[in-house]
Amino acid sequence: EIVLTQSPGTLSLSPGERATLSCRASQTVSSNYLAWYQQKPGQAPRLLIYGTSNRATGIPDRFSGSGSGTDFTLTISRLEPEDFAVYYCHQHHIAPPVTFGGGTKVEIK
Amino acid sequence: EVQLLESGGSLVQPGGSLRLSCATSGFNFNRYALSWVRQAPGKGLEWVTSTGGSSGTSYFADSVAGRFTISRDTSNNTLFLHMTSLRVEDTAVYYCAKARNPVVVTATPFDFWGQGTLVTVSS
Repeated sequence: EIVLTQSPGTLSLSPGERATLSCRASQTVSSNYLAWYQQKPGQAPRLLIYGTSNRATGIPDRFSGSGSGTDFTLTISRLEPEDFAVYYCHQHHIAPPVTFGGGTKVEIK
Repeated sequence: EVQLLESGGSLVQPGGSLRLSCATSGFNFNRYALSWVRQAPGKGLEWVTSTGGSSGTSYFADSVAGRFTISRDTSNNTLFLHMTSLRVEDTAVYYCAKARNPVVVTATPFDFWGQGTLVTVSS
């Protein structure tokens, strides 16, 4: 089973700042099989990025993904008020089992 | 418009059984895998099970294997999760999620999610 470790656990930033979220895998994940989701309180997760760097439909271009091998990054170039949420990475390369990271909470500083 | 709507969550005693439903619309039900992903209160996401669109192939997390089964009603485009021998640690919001890529069962991100249904296992 591939374990995904997200860091930091919490990121405290101000609107307009840049957010950099990390997802590290316990073994190599093909870049085609790494996704990111956003979840706001009381809501279902929402697909942001698939295949490491492809934005899902309707996702603004301030969200970008990068990485390879065992290290992947989600970057939010300038935080908007609606971006404060929890973000999860997800690997579906070596599956089952599908695995998710533990999440990074982006909170308002 | 793709829609997924879960129902069936409730309070159940340890050792009990429950069936969750996920009514779907807006896509070819037979072409896409569907999955259940759960989230314990205040915790992260945990994959539970996935079933193929037409392959009949299903996979389960070790934590639920042998206790949960998954099935599809193709005439009503509805997904079911049959849960038995429920444990306190099964308490969670259960989400139904659709595969983004057709045909594959687990090698795909989830592009649409339902709003979730809460299962509470407690005496």
